[in-house]
Amino acid sequence: AQSVTQPDIHITVSEGASLELRCNYSYGATPYLFWYVQSPGQGLQLLLKYFSGDTLVQGIKGFEAEFKRSQSSFNLRKPSVHWSDAAEYFCAVAPLSGGYNKLIFGAGTRLAVHP
Amino acid sequence: NAGVTQTPKFRILKIGQSMTLQCTQDMNHNYMYWYRQDPGMGLKLIYYSVGAGITDKGEVPNGYNVSRSTTEDFPLRLELAAPSQTSVYFCASSYPLASGSNEQFFGPGTRLTVL
Repeated sequence: AQSVTQPDIHITVSEGASLELRCNYSYGATPYLFWYVQSPGQGLQLLLKYFSGDTLVQGIKGFEAEFKRSQSSFNLRKPSVHWSDAAEYFCAVAPLSGGYNKLIFGAGTRLAVHP
Repeated sequence: NAGVTQTPKFRILKIGQSMTLQCTQDMNHNYMYWYRQDPGMGLKLIYYSVGAGITDKGEVPNGYNVSRSTTEDFPLRLELAAPSQTSVYFCASSYPLASGSNEQFFGPGTRLTVL
């Protein structure tokens, strides 16, 4: 069955420190890959997505993610975290076919940022 | 563009009551979705629609109904509210997969409590 695993439920970093959020997926072929961010009390906003091509993807707010086929991973990174990055982050996958753009979400990683 | 709008933002129901969660999008997207978000569980798909007059079940459809009479609107109906339906509900919309733009746009959510 298709699944998405985000191993870290909660991460705390200091402002200015680097960040890496992990995401692993289980799927027969390389799916479309996404990272969404949810600020408190808000809906989800797309940070970045991978469909094909360059395995290092740049997104909004200074985030990037690297797709590694051999590890079935799509980890999110940021070189220097800002206090406003405190939020919940969701990794999601969508199969290459299926018609209705089905998204399978991970359970999320909650990021706290210390001043 | 207002994007995806949802009403109400908050609602408290008694067991057995019914209600409709409203969702409207102004992006002319064919596809619309309803998700529920429970703590530590990510988002689960309840129902989706690929166009006016066409709806289908997602992962967790029991206890819910939907309709899609127009492209813009996709209401979610709870007929007999149960405590297990206490959750945050998100509506989303997107273009078809074949368009190459697979991003789903999310509304701000409706927080529902059933007591």
